[in-house]
Amino acid sequence: EGQLSESGGALVQPGKPLTLSCVVSGFTFITYGMSWVRQLPGKGLEWVATSGPGVGRTFYADSVKGRFNISRDVSRDTLFLQMNSLTVEDTAVYYCARDIRGHEGWYFDLWGRGTLVSVS
Amino acid sequence: DIQMTQSPSTLSASVGDRVTITCRASQNVGHYLVWYQQKPGKAPKVVIYQASQSRVSSRISGSGSGTEFTLTINSLQPDDFATYYCQEYSTYGGTFGQGTRVDI
Repeated sequence: EGQLSESGGALVQPGKPLTLSCVVSGFTFITYGMSWVRQLPGKGLEWVATSGPGVGRTFYADSVKGRFNISRDVSRDTLFLQMNSLTVEDTAVYYCARDIRGHEGWYFDLWGRGTLVSVS
Repeated sequence: DIQMTQSPSTLSASVGDRVTITCRASQNVGHYLVWYQQKPGKAPKVVIYQASQSRVSSRISGSGSGTEFTLTINSLQPDDFATYYCQEYSTYGGTFGQGTRVDI
Protein backbone atom coordinates (compact mmCIF):
# COMPACT_ATOMS: atom_id res chain seq x y z
CA GLU A 1 0.00 0.00 0.00
CA GLY A 2 2.75 2.42 0.90
CA GLN A 3 3.59 4.96 3.54
CA LEU A 4 4.76 8.55 3.49
CA SER A 5 6.47 10.26 6.41
CA GLU A 6 7.15 13.99 6.41
CA SER A 7 9.59 15.88 8.57
CA GLY A 8 11.26 19.25 8.77
CA GLY A 9 8.39 21.48 9.79
CA ALA A 10 9.37 24.26 12.17
CA LEU A 11 8.75 27.80 13.39
CA VAL A 12 10.74 30.13 11.15
CA GLN A 13 11.04 33.86 10.67
CA PRO A 14 9.77 35.57 7.54
CA GLY A 15 12.35 35.55 4.77
CA LYS A 16 14.17 32.51 6.10
CA PRO A 17 14.50 29.18 4.24
CA LEU A 18 13.29 25.75 5.30
CA THR A 19 13.48 22.30 3.73
CA LEU A 20 10.87 19.59 4.19
CA SER A 21 11.52 15.90 3.63
CA CYS A 22 9.21 12.99 2.90
CA VAL A 23 10.46 9.42 3.19
CA VAL A 24 8.60 6.93 1.06
CA SER A 25 8.15 3.20 1.67
CA GLY A 26 6.10 0.32 0.34
CA PHE A 27 6.03 1.24 -3.34
CA THR A 28 8.41 2.02 -6.19
CA PHE A 29 9.10 5.70 -5.66
CA ILE A 30 10.53 6.45 -9.08
CA THR A 31 7.43 5.27 -10.94
CA TYR A 32 5.07 7.74 -9.30
CA GLY A 33 4.62 11.45 -9.46
CA MET A 34 4.85 12.99 -6.00
CA SER A 35 3.47 16.24 -4.70
CA TRP A 36 3.29 18.60 -1.78
CA VAL A 37 -0.14 19.85 -0.75
CA ARG A 38 -0.70 22.33 2.06
CA GLN A 39 -3.54 23.22 4.35
CA LEU A 40 -3.67 26.66 5.87
CA PRO A 41 -4.81 26.78 9.51
CA GLY A 42 -8.51 25.98 9.69
CA LYS A 43 -8.77 26.29 5.92
CA GLY A 44 -8.92 24.17 2.82
CA LEU A 45 -6.34 22.39 0.72
CA GLU A 46 -3.93 23.90 -1.78
CA TRP A 47 -1.66 22.06 -4.19
CA VAL A 48 1.90 23.41 -3.92
CA ALA A 49 4.29 21.48 -6.18
CA THR A 50 4.72 18.22 -8.09
CA SER A 51 7.67 16.14 -9.21
CA GLY A 52 6.73 13.95 -12.15
CA PRO A 53 7.64 10.24 -12.24
CA GLY A 54 11.19 9.19 -13.07
CA VAL A 55 13.27 12.23 -13.84
CA GLY A 56 10.11 14.01 -14.87
CA ARG A 57 9.13 17.60 -14.97
CA THR A 58 8.34 19.77 -11.98
CA PHE A 59 5.28 21.93 -11.56
CA TYR A 60 4.50 24.71 -9.11
CA ALA A 61 1.53 26.69 -7.94
CA ASP A 62 1.78 30.36 -8.87
CA SER A 63 1.86 31.28 -5.18
CA VAL A 64 5.21 29.52 -4.68
CA LYS A 65 6.82 29.64 -8.12
CA GLY A 66 10.34 31.02 -7.93
CA ARG A 67 10.51 30.51 -4.15
CA PHE A 68 10.00 26.77 -3.66
CA ASN A 69 11.87 23.88 -5.26
CA ILE A 70 10.71 20.26 -5.30
CA SER A 71 13.21 17.48 -5.79
CA ARG A 72 13.70 13.81 -5.06
CA ASP A 73 16.58 11.53 -4.09
CA VAL A 74 15.70 8.15 -5.54
CA SER A 75 18.58 6.42 -3.75
CA ARG A 76 17.06 7.47 -0.43
CA ASP A 77 13.39 7.21 -1.45
CA THR A 78 12.97 10.78 -0.29
CA LEU A 79 11.05 13.76 -1.63
CA PHE A 80 12.12 17.29 -0.68
CA LEU A 81 10.58 20.73 -0.69
CA GLN A 82 13.04 23.59 -0.40
CA MET A 83 11.21 26.73 0.64
CA ASN A 84 12.83 30.15 0.35
CA SER A 85 11.65 33.67 1.12
CA LEU A 86 8.95 32.36 3.42
CA THR A 87 6.05 34.63 4.32
CA VAL A 88 3.33 34.39 6.95
CA GLU A 89 0.99 33.27 4.15
CA ASP A 90 3.06 30.07 3.85
CA THR A 91 2.04 29.01 7.36
CA ALA A 92 0.32 25.65 6.92
CA VAL A 93 0.44 21.93 7.43
CA TYR A 94 2.40 20.51 4.50
CA TYR A 95 1.45 17.06 3.25
CA CYS A 96 3.48 14.82 1.02
CA ALA A 97 1.22 12.91 -1.38
CA ARG A 98 1.43 10.30 -4.12
CA ASP A 99 -0.05 11.20 -7.50
CA ILE A 100 -2.47 9.32 -9.67
CA ARG A 101 -2.59 10.77 -13.18
CA GLY A 102 -5.78 11.84 -14.82
CA HIS A 103 -6.10 13.72 -18.09
CA GLU A 104 -3.51 16.44 -17.67
CA GLY A 105 -3.73 16.58 -13.91
CA TRP A 106 -3.53 14.27 -10.96
CA TYR A 107 -5.17 13.46 -7.69
CA PHE A 108 -3.61 12.19 -4.49
CA ASP A 109 -4.24 8.63 -3.39
CA LEU A 110 -1.74 8.34 -0.55
CA TRP A 111 -0.92 11.02 1.99
CA GLY A 112 1.52 11.48 4.82
CA ARG A 113 0.47 12.75 8.23
CA GLY A 114 1.74 16.25 7.50
CA THR A 115 4.32 18.58 9.02
CA LEU A 116 3.56 22.05 10.37
CA VAL A 117 5.37 25.10 9.05
CA SER A 118 4.79 28.28 11.03
CA VAL A 119 6.19 31.55 9.71
CA SER A 120 6.24 34.27 12.31
CA ASP B 1 -7.76 28.68 -13.69
CA ILE B 2 -10.67 26.38 -12.89
CA GLN B 3 -12.72 27.31 -9.83
CA MET B 4 -14.44 24.63 -7.77
CA THR B 5 -17.43 25.61 -5.64
CA GLN B 6 -18.92 23.31 -3.05
CA SER B 7 -22.27 23.64 -1.37
CA PRO B 8 -23.25 23.75 1.34
CA SER B 9 -20.27 24.84 3.43
CA THR B 10 -21.69 23.14 6.49
CA LEU B 11 -24.34 20.48 6.75
CA SER B 12 -26.00 19.34 9.96
CA ALA B 13 -27.35 15.82 9.91
CA SER B 14 -28.18 12.85 12.09
CA VAL B 15 -27.14 9.22 12.07
CA GLY B 16 -29.21 7.41 9.45
CA ASP B 17 -29.78 10.48 7.25
CA ARG B 18 -29.04 10.68 3.55
CA VAL B 19 -26.91 13.70 2.67
CA THR B 20 -25.84 15.22 -0.62
CA ILE B 21 -22.95 17.58 -1.31
CA THR B 22 -22.59 19.44 -4.59
CA CYS B 23 -19.40 20.52 -6.35
CA ARG B 24 -19.51 22.81 -9.38
CA ALA B 25 -16.62 23.50 -11.73
CA SER B 26 -16.22 26.78 -13.58
CA GLN B 27 -15.44 24.85 -16.77
CA ASN B 28 -15.77 21.34 -18.10
CA VAL B 29 -13.55 18.86 -16.20
CA GLY B 30 -15.02 15.73 -17.75
CA HIS B 31 -15.06 12.95 -15.17
CA TYR B 32 -11.75 14.00 -13.59
CA LEU B 33 -13.18 14.67 -10.18
CA VAL B 34 -12.19 13.15 -6.84
CA TRP B 35 -13.78 13.44 -3.39
CA TYR B 36 -11.75 13.32 -0.19
CA GLN B 37 -12.87 12.82 3.40
CA GLN B 38 -10.85 14.53 6.10
CA LYS B 39 -11.20 14.18 9.85
CA PRO B 40 -9.67 16.63 12.35
CA GLY B 41 -5.92 16.25 12.65
CA LYS B 42 -5.77 13.66 9.88
CA ALA B 43 -4.77 13.66 6.25
CA PRO B 44 -7.45 13.55 3.56
CA LYS B 45 -8.54 10.16 2.24
CA VAL B 46 -9.97 9.39 -1.19
CA VAL B 47 -13.60 8.24 -1.05
CA ILE B 48 -14.57 8.66 -4.73
CA TYR B 49 -12.35 9.03 -7.81
CA GLN B 50 -13.17 9.54 -11.47
CA ALA B 51 -16.42 11.16 -10.34
CA SER B 52 -18.21 7.93 -9.47
CA GLN B 53 -15.71 5.19 -8.58
CA SER B 54 -15.99 4.27 -4.92
CA ARG B 55 -12.89 3.61 -2.83
CA VAL B 56 -14.32 2.94 0.58
CA SER B 57 -17.98 2.19 1.21
CA SER B 58 -21.05 1.27 -0.78
CA ARG B 59 -22.97 3.87 1.23
CA ILE B 60 -20.88 6.65 -0.31
CA SER B 61 -21.45 7.31 -3.99
CA GLY B 62 -20.56 9.96 -6.52
CA SER B 63 -22.15 11.12 -9.73
CA GLY B 64 -21.89 13.79 -12.36
CA SER B 65 -19.66 14.91 -15.18
CA GLY B 66 -18.65 18.10 -16.89
CA THR B 67 -19.31 20.91 -14.44
CA GLU B 68 -21.68 19.49 -11.81
CA PHE B 69 -20.97 16.69 -9.39
CA THR B 70 -22.58 15.26 -6.28
CA LEU B 71 -21.42 13.16 -3.37
CA THR B 72 -24.15 11.20 -1.62
CA ILE B 73 -23.86 9.42 1.69
CA ASN B 74 -26.68 7.04 2.51
CA SER B 75 -27.55 6.04 6.07
CA LEU B 76 -25.03 8.38 7.66
CA GLN B 77 -22.87 6.68 10.25
CA PRO B 78 -20.84 8.26 13.10
CA ASP B 79 -17.65 7.58 11.15
CA ASP B 80 -18.93 9.73 8.26
CA PHE B 81 -18.92 12.98 10.21
CA ALA B 82 -16.00 14.81 8.62
CA THR B 83 -15.13 17.47 6.07
CA TYR B 84 -15.41 16.54 2.39
CA TYR B 85 -13.44 18.17 -0.40
CA CYS B 86 -13.80 17.83 -4.14
CA GLN B 87 -10.83 18.29 -6.46
CA GLU B 88 -10.70 18.43 -10.23
CA TYR B 89 -7.71 16.84 -11.93
CA SER B 90 -8.34 17.68 -15.56
CA THR B 91 -5.54 20.24 -15.50
CA TYR B 92 -2.12 20.20 -13.93
CA GLY B 93 -2.07 20.86 -10.23
CA GLY B 94 -5.79 20.54 -9.83
CA THR B 95 -8.10 22.78 -7.84
CA PHE B 96 -9.84 21.90 -4.60
CA GLY B 97 -13.26 22.97 -3.48
CA GLN B 98 -13.45 24.87 -0.21
CA GLY B 99 -14.86 21.91 1.70
CA THR B 100 -18.16 20.84 3.25
CA ARG B 101 -18.26 20.01 6.92
CA VAL B 102 -20.80 17.36 7.90
CA ASP B 103 -21.76 17.90 11.53
CA ILE B 104 -24.01 16.07 13.88
